[in-house]
Amino acid sequence: DAKTTQPPSMDCAEGRAANLPCNHSTISGNEYVYWYRQIHSQGPQYIIHGLKNNETNEMASLIITEDRKSSTLILPHATLRDTAVYYCIVRGTNTGGFKTIFGAGTRLFVKA
Amino acid sequence: NAGVTQTPKFQVLKTGQSMTLQCAQDMNHNSMYWYRQDPGMGLRLIYYSASEGTTDKGEVPNGYNVSRLNKREFSLRLESAAPSQTSVYFCASRGLVPQQQETQYFGPGTRLLVL
Repeated sequence: DAKTTQPPSMDCAEGRAANLPCNHSTISGNEYVYWYRQIHSQGPQYIIHGLKNNETNEMASLIITEDRKSSTLILPHATLRDTAVYYCIVRGTNTGGFKTIFGAGTRLFVKA
Repeated sequence: NAGVTQTPKFQVLKTGQSMTLQCAQDMNHNSMYWYRQDPGMGLRLIYYSASEGTTDKGEVPNGYNVSRLNKREFSLRLESAAPSQTSVYFCASRGLVPQQQETQYFGPGTRLLVL
């Protein structure tokens, strides 16, 4: 699985958009980009994933660059409850990619 | 539908003691995982099981053994606990999202202290 690079921490004002970057320059053609978050001491929670098109769901938007070497997770209106560690993961699909590696993630602090 | 459950929630061991962490999922998932998370750190993969009957090493397998008892259950065993194994242990299973891709669902964690 491809390695990802994320900033260790970021701040965001409540109500503003939080933009979390991720670099995955060695991603291969059949690998997806997944985002998870971990709030306090809970188990990580799935947020969103994508292959090459931008994706949006009720939690967030995912923007993947055309060359697929980087992506950005966008929380459009961050709240205090979005304070968490966000993990960017690159992984293959069902035929492979069983081995799922999490990095250190980005610790997002949403401030009032 | 309870999702992924883990027992126990907390455990204190003395160095050299053994114990088994239990994990079960009721979502009919094929793949299951064990991770550990040390304070202030990310998750590290210990072992995983792609399907019933198979297990494979992750990033940090030393000092642990696993058993995929059946499709639902995946246990992690510490034969001789060491203080370096003090951590929070998360079990996860992998299933489908509506778009027919796969994502992981995590349990609440087991907090282990080895004295």
